[in-house]
Amino acid sequence: KNEVEQSPQNLTAQEGEFITINCSYSVGISALHWLQQHPGGGIVSLFMLSSGKKKHGRLIATINIQEKHSSLHITASHPRDSAVYICAVTGNQFYFGTGTSLTVIP
Amino acid sequence: GAVVSQHPSWVICKSGTSVKIECRSLDFQATTMFWYRQFPKQSLMLMATSNEGSKATYEQGVEKDKFLINHASLTLSTLTVTSAHPEDSSFYICSASGNTDTQYFGPGTRLTVL
Repeated sequence: KNEVEQSPQNLTAQEGEFITINCSYSVGISALHWLQQHPGGGIVSLFMLSSGKKKHGRLIATINIQEKHSSLHITASHPRDSAVYICAVTGNQFYFGTGTSLTVIP
Repeated sequence: GAVVSQHPSWVICKSGTSVKIECRSLDFQATTMFWYRQFPKQSLMLMATSNEGSKATYEQGVEKDKFLINHASLTLSTLTVTSAHPEDSSFYICSASGNTDTQYFGPGTRLTVL
């Protein structure tokens, strides 16, 4: 069993839709990261959070420490949001989820 | 799934010495490898992208003479921190991708420079 589980693995949405990607983890953590990877590119860090909620533009990330769960929301999705989104947690080492491939159709 | 290893897992060195970190793809050929670092309480930062057999592409602000990256084979990339100083203490992570865009991450190397 992976220490970090993401769902869904693949997601296709129409432009403008509200999108949610979920992440559950089973280890003790000091922080959780949401990362974004465009095709062929390196990883870009979107959020790092250890509690509560953070917002950046159309992106919102929440974390529930007690439930060991985090969500990444994208409001008013756009084709340029198409990417792989990865959840990672920092404990004794980094644990990465397998990623969610998002495609936003115009 | 694909496995990426890093060695060493952690290293402590004296200021002024050079440290080499290895990143290996164990069961696939990695045409591209990425190197990241994470300072305490900060998020990941992409340092450089390396393609097998060619020079690495460094992100803005990353000194290529300070962080030497070699990707001489399809299963091995190395990051050498030259003349390390305490401010280089960080968590260094590599990832590798092969024929697909999926990246597989190594477990990281914690560097402490005294």
